[in-house]
Amino acid sequence: GDSVTQMEGPVTLSEEAFLTINCTYTATGYPSLFWYVQYPGEGLQLLLKATKADDKGSNKGFEATYRKETTSFHLEKGSVQVSDSAVYFCALRRDSGYSTLTFGKGTMLLVSP
Amino acid sequence: GAGVSQSPSNKVTEKGKDVELRCDPISGHTALYWYRQSLGQGLEFLIYFQGNSAPDKSGLPSDRFSAERTGGSVSTLTIQRTQQEDSAVYLCASSLEEKLFFGSGTQLSVL
Repeated sequence: GDSVTQMEGPVTLSEEAFLTINCTYTATGYPSLFWYVQYPGEGLQLLLKATKADDKGSNKGFEATYRKETTSFHLEKGSVQVSDSAVYFCALRRDSGYSTLTFGKGTMLLVSP
Repeated sequence: GAGVSQSPSNKVTEKGKDVELRCDPISGHTALYWYRQSLGQGLEFLIYFQGNSAPDKSGLPSDRFSAERTGGSVSTLTIQRTQQEDSAVYLCASSLEEKLFFGSGTQLSVL
């Protein structure tokens, strides 16, 4: 079945450091890939997405590139801020109209001043 | 409303009792999802509705769990004879197309 594997956290960084959160997936067909973010005390919200191979999703300084050859969708940001502290979830939605998202376990990011 | 609303926000119950969790999706959203978020387990899919029907119930962990949706809007997740392992945050999400909008969840604690 479909699955998403993320690096375990917490990831602890100082402000302005470079961030990478690894995500790999297993799925049949050509899934769409997503990163969702959950800020403390809030619900999950979509951060970025990519729907086909080599697409790059970007938002709020975060980027992720859909790599079909390595089945990966790693999240990156060049300079993190304290306000980026949150839990980040990688997810996939299988193609062919099946709408349920399969999530990874989430990676907590803690950014200190 | 402006977003997905879930109630109650917190529920403490005794083992063996039944609980009902409610989700009010964004108006007009045809798809509705229930997920469970447990510490260290990430988000676990429970059930998906398209309109009032549930084409995918594969994630419900046991027959103690059931869900319904009426009028293509409000959904209720019912857990019968709760167990301690049911303790988790239960999240509801709705969508019209691809993007899911999540509620803040119901924190369920079974003592």
